[in-house]
Amino acid sequence: GAGVSQSPRYKVAKRGQDVALRCDPISGHVSLFWYQQALGQGPEFLTYFQNEAQLDKSGLPSDRFFAERPEGSVSTLKIQRTQQEDSAVYLCASSLWGLAISYEQYFGPGTRLTVT
Amino acid sequence: DQQVKQNSPSLSVQEGRISILNCDYTNSMFDYFLWYKKYPAEGPTFLISISSIKDKNEDGRFTVFLNKSAKHLSLHIVPSQPGDSAVYFCAASEVVSNQFYFGTGTSLTVIP
Repeated sequence: GAGVSQSPRYKVAKRGQDVALRCDPISGHVSLFWYQQALGQGPEFLTYFQNEAQLDKSGLPSDRFFAERPEGSVSTLKIQRTQQEDSAVYLCASSLWGLAISYEQYFGPGTRLTVT
Repeated sequence: DQQVKQNSPSLSVQEGRISILNCDYTNSMFDYFLWYKKYPAEGPTFLISISSIKDKNEDGRFTVFLNKSAKHLSLHIVPSQPGDSAVYFCAASEVVSNQFYFGTGTSLTVIP
């Protein structure tokens, strides 16, 4: 079946531009996570949705980062006024249930954002 | 502060031999641990997990060992195969949390 998909796969933005990154989770998955992976680092948690509710956004690095999942399926991560330090791979993952029930997350291929 | 650490950025092993990847953590509240495998240009894929009530979990060629007192876990791959060449991440979580903390990864190369 279809896995988690993300678009675009690559994005180059000039400093100060706004970007929107899309995640299509596995159909029926309740939980959705966004991670940021800087070069040479492991993924770092950004935010978590259970259906359409954003239950944890403690990992978002600044108020320039905003995520939504309005209908409980597709999610968009928006970064306003991009800075060079935002350059990273942004990973989306979905899980059938919340982590308290099932720990298995399925990751998308990521969007590589380069801010010039 | 990095709560999960993988101190070896890379490892090379001959095909057929054992690969041992190590991971240390600092938060004693972590009670669930996972290993992910990542190929270039793909997202991480789940490999194997272990909860803190166990000290070993096995799945085919992959075994994860957990030493809670040392806050250390390791992944053993026996025998190693060229297709195992990838970056391996360990991750840890508290059961009541929705956050996973990942290590920085170890790049494994299995030499044919």
